[in-house]
Amino acid sequence: DGGITQSPKYLFRKEGQNVTLSCEQNLNHDAMYWYRQDPGQGLRLIYYSQIVNDFQKGDIAEGYSVSREKKESFPLTVTSAQKNPTAFYLCASSIGTRGRSGELFFGEGSRLTVL
Amino acid sequence: QQQVKQSPQSLIVQKGGISIINCAYENTAFDYFPWYQQFPGKGPALLIAIRPDVSEKKEGRFTISFNKSAKQFSLHIMDSQPGDSATYFCAASRTDSNYQLIWGAGTKLIIKP
Repeated sequence: DGGITQSPKYLFRKEGQNVTLSCEQNLNHDAMYWYRQDPGQGLRLIYYSQIVNDFQKGDIAEGYSVSREKKESFPLTVTSAQKNPTAFYLCASSIGTRGRSGELFFGEGSRLTVL
Repeated sequence: QQQVKQSPQSLIVQKGGISIINCAYENTAFDYFPWYQQFPGKGPALLIAIRPDVSEKKEGRFTISFNKSAKQFSLHIMDSQPGDSATYFCAASRTDSNYQLIWGAGTKLIIKP
């Protein structure tokens, strides 16, 4: 079955440590995204990539980094510079970016807790 | 900053009733308005979407009403069922930023049997 696979599902990290969240898709989608979800707030865009080897900052990119070396993969690194990293992280992909082609297909998320 | 304001934050509806969730936006640089449904522990999934040149779109029990002059749009769920219990997000696609979505804060809907 085609879809988005995120791992790990749960992750605990000590302050000062970097952590990398994995996101893989087999939908052959060009665009991939990382969102952060906090209770009582909508999804906030961290980074997105419309093509391999290219990515753009979203609204809350500070303290995060990404890479897009393969079409299928878009890992997110939460660095120690991120001041409040405890959150639910969602990866998504889409065929394109506009209208119906921009329909987002989400993974099941990774819940990061900083101890 | 461009925003999409969603209300109510939470909603309880009896089975068979109509659930109504409202969203309002502040900027006209939007060209597509999707609604996503999220069940606990899962990622959101597209439910229904509308373009601003259409005033209403219906898919099964789900209807979007769109009022361009008031900059408001709403989701109506007819004959609400316990399986509809989820969090619903409205969103708007920004034409001035690679059509990225800006999201409402979400509405937690509970349908009581």
